[in-house]
Amino acid sequence: GAGVSQTPSNKVTEKGKYVELRCDPISGHTALYWYRQSLGQGPEFLIYFQGTGAADDSGLPNDRFFAVRPEGSVSTLKIQRTERGDSAVYLCASSFYGGSSYNEQFFGPGTRLTVL
Amino acid sequence: AQSVAQPEDQVNVAEGNPLTVKCTYSVSGNPYLFWYVQYPNRGLQFLLKYITGDNLVKGSYGFEAEFNKSQTSFHLKKPSALVSDSALYFCAVRAVVGGYQKVTFGTGTKLQVIP
Repeated sequence: GAGVSQTPSNKVTEKGKYVELRCDPISGHTALYWYRQSLGQGPEFLIYFQGTGAADDSGLPNDRFFAVRPEGSVSTLKIQRTERGDSAVYLCASSFYGGSSYNEQFFGPGTRLTVL
Repeated sequence: AQSVAQPEDQVNVAEGNPLTVKCTYSVSGNPYLFWYVQYPNRGLQFLLKYITGDNLVKGSYGFEAEFNKSQTSFHLKKPSALVSDSALYFCAVRAVVGGYQKVTFGTGTKLQVIP
């Protein structure tokens, strides 16, 4: 079946620009997560959605970062006034809730963001 | 603050030999522990998890991990390594902190299985 998909796979932008990164989770997965992975590091948690609402956004580094999931399926991570330090691979993951918060996550291939 | 440590950046093992990839954690409350694998140019894939119960957890591709509460460890093991096991392995811990469910990943360990 279809896994988690992310678009675009690569995004190059200039410092100060606005970018949107899209995640399509596995159908039926109510939980959705965004992570950021820098070279040589593990994924860094950004935000977690349960349905349409952000259950935990404590990982967002500052107010330039925002994410939405208006219909409880597709999510968009939005970064305003991009900085060179935002360059990383942005990962999306989804999981089935089913009453447990500890089901495994299924990851997408990531979007590689490069800010020049 | 919760944390995960993977003390080895790289582990080399000969094909057919047993392998261990180490993970220790620090968390308040009950830990929920996971191992994921990342193959080149592919997304992270779930291997196994410990939630509660038996301390020895069996997962995909013949991998297993042992939860040791006293040593706060969750080492990944396999009795006989395959060349195809060569990849990047991440340990992760999930716990409730201040009402939030925090997820923290380690920095990863590169496993190289030598033919």
